[in-house]
Amino acid sequence: QVQLVQSGAEVKKPGASVKVSCKVSGKTLTELTMHWVRQAPGKGLEWMGGFDPEDGETAYAQKFQGRVTMTEDTSTDTAYMELSSLRSEDTAVYYCASYKSGFHNWGQGTLVTVSS
Amino acid sequence: SYELTQPPSVSVSPGQTAKITCSGDALAKQYAHWYQQKPGQAPGVVIYKDSERPSGIPERFSGSSSGTTVTLTISGVQAEDEADYYCQSIDSSGASWVFGGGTKVTVL
Repeated sequence: QVQLVQSGAEVKKPGASVKVSCKVSGKTLTELTMHWVRQAPGKGLEWMGGFDPEDGETAYAQKFQGRVTMTEDTSTDTAYMELSSLRSEDTAVYYCASYKSGFHNWGQGTLVTVSS
Repeated sequence: SYELTQPPSVSVSPGQTAKITCSGDALAKQYAHWYQQKPGQAPGVVIYKDSERPSGIPERFSGSSSGTTVTLTISGVQAEDEADYYCQSIDSSGASWVFGGGTKVTVL
């Protein structure tokens, strides 16, 4: 059974960057299509981006274009999401989730707090 | 940008039926999926590809689709079904995944 285990909570200052990891077990990363979703406190789910197998590229939500980078290390079956130029509105729980006709597997979430 | 529209809240008595709708132009061409999220937990899929139920999800959860609207139905609602529910799909270009705003289901 697939498990996604994310890195721990982070506190960052405005303008800094954060890199969240997502370790896959039960399958290899190459067998999955990984995406990232975030949820601000008391708010809904927001898709940030993920791998699109249709064209073999990573698709990013327009809102995060130029500020987010999603990468994968297949040697360690770990996916990464890096968000730069952080502002207070980026305070949220960040989830990795694998997609195949729906997001069937989710990480436990990583709380990123942006505060001066 | 593409949007999926859900009602903010639905209230239902135990044993009754809850219906949650999700509307979006591309739903006539793209599948929708539904997620349940309880406080402090990651979301989990309850319906995928409009009406398929993953193993382990109770039969009281069902999904349907008609034109540009999909519906999640919870029949015989139980107290444990109180949660936030989100629909999710992809835009018509296939390049952008999107979630609905979420519906809070309250069991009275």
